[in-house]
Amino acid sequence: ELKVEQNPLFLSMQEGKNYTIYCNYSTTSDRLYWYRQDPGKSLESLFVLLSNGAVKQEGRLMASLDTKARLSTLHITAAVHDLSATYFCAVVVPNTDKLIFGTGTRLQVFP
Amino acid sequence: NAGVTQTPKFRVLKTGQSMTLLCAQDMNHEYMYWYRQDPGMGLRLIHYSVGEGTTAKGEAPDGYNVSRLKKQNFLLGLESAAPSQTSVYFCASSTPLAVRSYEQYFGPGTRLTVT
Repeated sequence: ELKVEQNPLFLSMQEGKNYTIYCNYSTTSDRLYWYRQDPGKSLESLFVLLSNGAVKQEGRLMASLDTKARLSTLHITAAVHDLSATYFCAVVVPNTDKLIFGTGTRLQVFP
Repeated sequence: NAGVTQTPKFRVLKTGQSMTLLCAQDMNHEYMYWYRQDPGMGLRLIHYSVGEGTTAKGEAPDGYNVSRLKKQNFLLGLESAAPSQTSVYFCASSTPLAVRSYEQYFGPGTRLTVT
């Protein structure tokens, strides 16, 4: 059974600082997704990572995928308050039509 | 394009009542999904469909039924609601998984409370 773990579960960071969110998964998969969810809102797609070594960047966020280590990272550079949200990673379950989501990382950025 | 829409947005049920949640998408997607989101547990897949007339169970199917009579609609039914079904329900749609650009697009959610 595929398990997806994120850490930390909660992250409080000061504006201007850098930090990384980790997403580990237990079974080989070649596709991984990052989503953002604002409080009371739906999920918004951030990144789609399709192969080993894939790196994508959007503004202050950069995501990478290491399929051999079964690890994806979401790096935050010089955090700003607008990045406060919950971030989820999701992994395709091999040989199925399903995604398994991590438990999410709730990010709070304060002045 | 409205994308993925869900009806209703909020609902309060009493234990034992039934209801149907409607999901509609206008992106001509083959695949549709129902998830529930509970605090601290991420999203759990309830049921999904890979095409009109097909349905399959996800990780948390107990107490729910689904139907996909039309490609654009995916219905989630609760026959006899229980307090444990208090949650936020999200619908999503996508192209087939084999498409390299596959990703899921989510609706705005339905907040259900069962008392």
